[in-house]
Amino acid sequence: DIQMTQSPSSMSASLGDRVTITCQASQDIGNNLIWFQQKPGKAPRPMIYYATNLANGVPSRFSGSRSGSDYSLTINNLESEDVADYHCLQYKRYPLTFGSGTKLEIK
Amino acid sequence: QVKLKESGPGLVQPSETLSLTCTVSGFSLTSYSVHWFRQHSGKRLEWMGRVWSDGDTSYNSAFTSRLNISRDTSKSQVFLKMNGLQTEDTGTYYCVRHWLGPRYYYFDFWGPGTMVTVSS
Repeated sequence: DIQMTQSPSSMSASLGDRVTITCQASQDIGNNLIWFQQKPGKAPRPMIYYATNLANGVPSRFSGSRSGSDYSLTINNLESEDVADYHCLQYKRYPLTFGSGTKLEIK
Repeated sequence: QVKLKESGPGLVQPSETLSLTCTVSGFSLTSYSVHWFRQHSGKRLEWMGRVWSDGDTSYNSAFTSRLNISRDTSKSQVFLKMNGLQTEDTGTYYCVRHWLGPRYYYFDFWGPGTMVTVSS
């Protein structure tokens, strides 16, 4: 199975900060990665498709990038509504696998 | 308007069988696949299996032979059955729509999830 190592597991940042969350894939997954945002008691919401493509309705302060086997989700100008858990998902190979999640809080 | 909604018993006895239903609307099961995921107490999400638009199924080997996914296209429903439940199967179960766009795959609409507790 492809392992997705996500970091950090939790973080806190100030409003207006730039935040970066990373997933590292244990095997080549190309750009076959999705970033999800999950708020308490809610289902995950796709934010970034194919590593770098913003999903419909997602604010432009969110972006995704890739460097080799490292995938990053960046939030510019952090807002209070961005408080959530964030998960990465690889869908290059079955079984689909997720990162362990990042809990983002506001300082 | 695309919607998915999971339904199920909420509480299951250990060693018994879990039966969940995902009722979809706004799209056809013959055009889109549906996956099942689960999550333990806000922790890492886990892929369980899927039924493709042609009815083909595949499963996470972590569930070996105790998982079955089926569908009834006339009722727009997808079913999950898993036997031999243990306390570690407690969690929230989601059904999710999946499709291939022009450039990449989408997992775009999720049900709200249904909480399952395995306890005597």
